[in-house]
Amino acid sequence: DIVLTQSPGTLSLSPGETATLSCRASQSLNSAYLAWYQQRPGQAPRLLLYSASIRAPGIPDRFRGSYSGTDFTLTISRLEPEDFAVFYCQHYGGSPLYSFGPGTTLEIK
Amino acid sequence: QLQLQESGSGLVRPSQTLSLTCSVSGGSIESGGYSWSWIRQPPGKGLEWIGYIYSSGSSDYNPSLKSRVTISVDNSKNEFSLKLSSVTAADTAVYYCARGFLTSGFDFWGQGALVTVSS
Repeated sequence: DIVLTQSPGTLSLSPGETATLSCRASQSLNSAYLAWYQQRPGQAPRLLLYSASIRAPGIPDRFRGSYSGTDFTLTISRLEPEDFAVFYCQHYGGSPLYSFGPGTTLEIK
Repeated sequence: QLQLQESGSGLVRPSQTLSLTCSVSGGSIESGGYSWSWIRQPPGKGLEWIGYIYSSGSSDYNPSLKSRVTISVDNSKNEFSLKLSSVTAADTAVYYCARGFLTSGFDFWGQGALVTVSS
């Protein structure tokens, strides 16, 4: 089974800075099946990126996804106050069919 | 704009069955080849996929919950439902319904429904 590990657990940055969030898979996976979500307190998750790097409708281009082998990265440029939240990566195709990483909390420094 | 709304009992006794319904508006549950999932999140913890169903009735479940989960669909009402039997305190969570599509992730979510298991 593919296990997703996210790092760091918590990232403290200031508005205007760039955030780099990592999601590492325990084995090779199809990048087409990797998505990223943002969850603000008290809200449902929001799809940011799918197929590792394709932005969902309405997502600003400050959010960028990339990957190399089993390492997937979410980069958020020019952080704005509303960007601070918990971010999850998610994989489709293993067992269970959908699995989520444990999340990275992006907090205001 | 597609909208999903969870409804059901917010308090369930241990060993009883949790029941939730997701009403879909702004689009048909039968169109587009999408799957319709239930996902839960215990307080302060991460996300766990429970299972999905297609409008055809085809479904799949998380192996860790499979023995206790039933997901059904009612196309005439444009809704799908979750039943989780023999609940314990570990099943206390916010339960979300969401639309999914293979490589595209879960693009529409309900607001979530908190279900507490307690006597």
